Amino acid sequence: TQLLEQSPQFLSIQEGENLTVYCNSSSVFSSLQWYRQEPGEGPVLLVTVVTGGEVKKLKRLTFQFGDARKDSSLHITAAQPGDTGLYLCAGVNNAGNMLTFGGGTRLMVKP
Amino acid sequence: DARVTQTPRHKVTEMGQEVTMRCQPILGHNTVFWYRQTMMQGLELLAYFRNRAPLDDSGMPKDRFSAEMPDATLATLKIQPSEPRDSAVYFCASGFSLTGELFFGEGSRLTVL
Repeated sequence: TQLLEQSPQFLSIQEGENLTVYCNSSSVFSSLQWYRQEPGEGPVLLVTVVTGGEVKKLKRLTFQFGDARKDSSLHITAAQPGDTGLYLCAGVNNAGNMLTFGGGTRLMVKP
Repeated sequence: DARVTQTPRHKVTEMGQEVTMRCQPILGHNTVFWYRQTMMQGLELLAYFRNRAPLDDSGMPKDRFSAEMPDATLATLKIQPSEPRDSAVYFCASGFSLTGELFFGEGSRLTVL
């Protein structure tokens, strides 16, 4: 089983601060997805990264896939209360037939 | 606006009762997943189907859980008998492949007393 460790598990910050959350594994993934889940709803896909070293930006969110495709990070600039939620990474194994979710980072941005 | 629809949204039941959760995947999606989410365990994969055929249900307690897709517009997850440890939010998700983007429903929150 390929495990994805996300850190930190919980993060509480003030509006306007920057933050980075991490998704790490000892296994290589062919691609990695990031989802955000708001209270009372299901996760929603934010981005998929495929190439080692790839960087994708979505407004104030920057996603990076590690060079070795074993880890990924999500950086949020000038966090807003609307960014509050559970951030989940999910990796696709090299065989391309399994998607594994990490445990998530629960983010709270206070006004 | 295509979306995955789950019913019921909330269910409170007593230990030993049968619980059935239903999911209508997005039309055209051929892969359907059932997940369970708790604070302690996070998002756990219970079972998934491709073209209505069950591919893997190794994540489910076989003695009490069963998952079926009677047709392309309906997936069901049944728990019989239910136990307090089954209390969780159960999500259905659909997509075009095992590893592509997943579209999740809003979940069914189950409380077993």
